[in-house]
Amino acid sequence: ILNVEQSPQSLHVQEGDSTNFTCSFPSSNFYALHWYRWETAKSPEALFVMTLNGDEKKKGRISATLNTKEGYSYLYIKGSQPEDSATYLCAFLPGSARQLTFGSGTQLTVLP
Amino acid sequence: KAGVTQTPRYLIKTRGQQVTLSCSPISGHRSVSWYQQTPGQGLQFLFEYFSETQRNKGNFPGRFSGRQFSNSRSEMNVSTLELGDSALYLCASSRGRLGYGYTFGSGTRLTVV
Repeated sequence: ILNVEQSPQSLHVQEGDSTNFTCSFPSSNFYALHWYRWETAKSPEALFVMTLNGDEKKKGRISATLNTKEGYSYLYIKGSQPEDSATYLCAFLPGSARQLTFGSGTQLTVLP
Repeated sequence: KAGVTQTPRYLIKTRGQQVTLSCSPISGHRSVSWYQQTPGQGLQFLFEYFSETQRNKGNFPGRFSGRQFSNSRSEMNVSTLELGDSALYLCASSRGRLGYGYTFGSGTRLTVV
């Protein structure tokens, strides 16, 4: 059973704050790391698919970094807005399997 | 383009019954994966189908089964329902290549009473 952990479990920030959270995954047999945003009453939405050690991806105010050697990825949100409130999920894809293993997510609440 | 469509959105069933959930992927996507989410649990992988073949299966009992049709639509079946099967069932489609993200449907909320 693969262990994918996300921290913190939940986070409350004020509008305009920058924030970041962590995804830890096995450092061996890496193929890809996915990030998804899941807003209440909606479907999970893909943010990033990261495959290379040292990868940095950016989408608007959201960015992510990847360290496959030590098995972690950071997601950063700059200048948080209330519409960023959602659960952020990471998912690990090993080279030996074709199924994503999801972490339990970080629930972000941005207070106006 | 149309997204991933799951039907029905909500379902209430009695213990012991069986249920079939449907998922229509994005046009051109040949891979369909199914996930279960229960309160307090992350997304748990059920199975993945690609070109009508099951490529992977998660750690669920044999009461959970699925299939994929030639048009890539997929169905998931749960027989002899138990109370613990109450969950949100999500399907996700992708092109099947590992470098692409998944597109999720809105899910089917199953309640077993």
